[in-house]
Amino acid sequence: DAGVTQSPTHLIKTRGQQVTLRCSPKSGHDTVSWYQQALGQGPQFIFQYYEEEERQRGNFPDRFSGHQFPNYSSELNVNALLLGDSALYLCASSAPGGTGNTIYFGEGSWLTVV
Amino acid sequence: GNSVTQMEGPVTLSEEAFLTINCTYTATGYPSLFWYVQYPGEGLQLLLKATKADDKGSNKGFEATYRKETTSFHLEKGSVQVSDSAVYFCALSDQFKTNAGNNRKLIWGLGTSLAVNP
Repeated sequence: DAGVTQSPTHLIKTRGQQVTLRCSPKSGHDTVSWYQQALGQGPQFIFQYYEEEERQRGNFPDRFSGHQFPNYSSELNVNALLLGDSALYLCASSAPGGTGNTIYFGEGSWLTVV
Repeated sequence: GNSVTQMEGPVTLSEEAFLTINCTYTATGYPSLFWYVQYPGEGLQLLLKATKADDKGSNKGFEATYRKETTSFHLEKGSVQVSDSAVYFCALSDQFKTNAGNNRKLIWGLGTSLAVNP
């Protein structure tokens, strides 16, 4: 059973460019969340998708947007990249049926903005 | 709002030493509490969790007890190994309501780096 898978693993972008990160949740999971982890920091919640809609959003600007597809996979898009967007972007998934279920994380996508 | 505070690192120990990493939280209600571990260059792995007061989570020799009276969830291990060198994160679940029902996100501490020397 594959866990949460993310792509790409590493990427380098230039300031002002746009980036799309992808995530496939663990089998049976329908809820996908994205987190940003800057170097030396704990993860910060970006947003959560369920039933193809954004259900909750953290304190991130509108440059950060997302999408969830009918197969529950998800994308994170960041426009007009800033140097400060350099971070590890983590996708997390959880199963339906209750808030006590474990949240699983992917290996993350390392984004460097130069 | 809800928050998590962890002891600052880095923590450096010799192999077989006793480990404690302190974690305290501020929350309304009774969140679930978690310890995650991040090995160098890798993503986050759930180490252990506790879902209600006085629960003890344990895994791979690590333990943490959910203490409501002190709002704490300290991580302990009796004898650390070099392979335990990693960054450890304490987190709590923050439940929120949506028009599709209840769900949750994780609120994290800053992480504590542990280095174990042979």
